[in-house]
Amino acid sequence: DQQVKQNSPSLSVQEGRISILNCDYTNSMFDYFLWYKKYPAEGPTFLISISSIKDKNEDGRFTVFLNKSAKHLSLHIVPSQPGDSAVYFCAASAGGSSNTGKLIFGQGTTLQVKP
Amino acid sequence: NAGVTQTPKFQVLKTGQSMTLQCAQDMNHEYMSWYRQDPGMGLRLIHYSVGAGITDQGEVPNGYNVSRSTTEDFPLRLLSAAPSQTSVYFCASSYSIWRTEAFFGQGTRLTVV
Repeated sequence: DQQVKQNSPSLSVQEGRISILNCDYTNSMFDYFLWYKKYPAEGPTFLISISSIKDKNEDGRFTVFLNKSAKHLSLHIVPSQPGDSAVYFCAASAGGSSNTGKLIFGQGTTLQVKP
Repeated sequence: NAGVTQTPKFQVLKTGQSMTLQCAQDMNHEYMSWYRQDPGMGLRLIHYSVGAGITDQGEVPNGYNVSRSTTEDFPLRLLSAAPSQTSVYFCASSYSIWRTEAFFGQGTRLTVV
């Protein structure tokens, strides 16, 4: 059972426009969420995170939104740049007394930003 | 600062062979983990360790062994390679279980024929 799902395998946007990548989760124990970016032949790199006590976190062009009631989060990239073309992974972990530090990843969404 | 180093980068094995994927980090991180990446499956956790001498299973542990004798090293052993273990393997580390912004290695592309 996939606890973290990214239902869109790919997304294509024009340079300068907004990219919105979506992620859904099923485990209500998840309380910390992260986005990673991965270029071909490289390891994933951390992009941005959000704790469940917040509903929004911004870092430059990247904003993550969390809707706990819907068990949904999204990553907004504004404005999108060709260098943003990569695979984006959503990940989640459970804290509190059940915290083991395990990160559970989604399947990934391939973003293509066209010049 | 090298970060997380994985060796080898590429490997071809025959079915039934064994091998060890090496992972080392120089950031004094307590938490280390191994993932495999397969098309359409994302990154799946194989094994993880919360500190030297402590390991536990992830989502897909079968066919793999780990040990953590030092803080720096976390090798992944394939006991008897199978074609289903053809994948890209990533090692990751983070400061602690409470800070899960993990740093990943470059990956090992393994093909089992």
